[in-house]
Amino acid sequence: DSGVTQTPKHLITATGQRVTLRCSPRSGDLSVYWYQQSLDQGLQFLIQYYNGEERAKGNILERFSAQQFPDLHSELNLSSLELGDSALYFCASSVLRDTDNEQFFGPGTRLTVL
Amino acid sequence: DQQVKQNSPSLSVQEGRISILNCDYTNSMFDYFLWYKKYPAEGPTFLISISSIKDKNEDGRFTVFLNKSAKHLSLHIVPSQPGDSAVYFCAASGRKRGSTLGRLYFGRGTQLTVWP
Repeated sequence: DSGVTQTPKHLITATGQRVTLRCSPRSGDLSVYWYQQSLDQGLQFLIQYYNGEERAKGNILERFSAQQFPDLHSELNLSSLELGDSALYFCASSVLRDTDNEQFFGPGTRLTVL
Repeated sequence: DQQVKQNSPSLSVQEGRISILNCDYTNSMFDYFLWYKKYPAEGPTFLISISSIKDKNEDGRFTVFLNKSAKHLSLHIVPSQPGDSAVYFCAASGRKRGSTLGRLYFGRGTQLTVWP
């Protein structure tokens, strides 16, 4: 158990809909990352938050947004869903020290768009 | 543009033998490298890491080697066990100011199968 929790575990929805994925980081971790893993793809970085502020953006679509709340949990919002958005979405957290950057991953949310 | 590459999608090794998983990177700003193991239906699990100031790091049966001049790293598992069967991801990040601090760049993974 990494200490990172994600809900829900599975999500099935229709095209055009909007969903919210939730992540709680490990206790003490200030940084939260979101990754997407599609079929035959590696883990693609979407966005990073550090202590409530956006820190880095990757290949995140404009239809997707995220935020980190004062209690450090994070939500990833996916809107106007398309079939191609079906993927595993992972959240990770880290302390983000200068000396290392081990990220600890949650179990993921499997999103299926029908 | 894939900045971290794992060119072998799969590797099959007999139990007790050495498993060697390889990874190449292109970005010279990367200075911290990690290996993750992933079982189906689970998130990636951190395995071992290495900083660019070292060329080797060991943790039990796992050793990571870094060749900065070749921009290459490898993970050695000795001896391999059936429970090691999983997908192994190589990842890299930059920790210096002005670099891509924090985010990880992942390879596409290598499926390791250890057979009895």
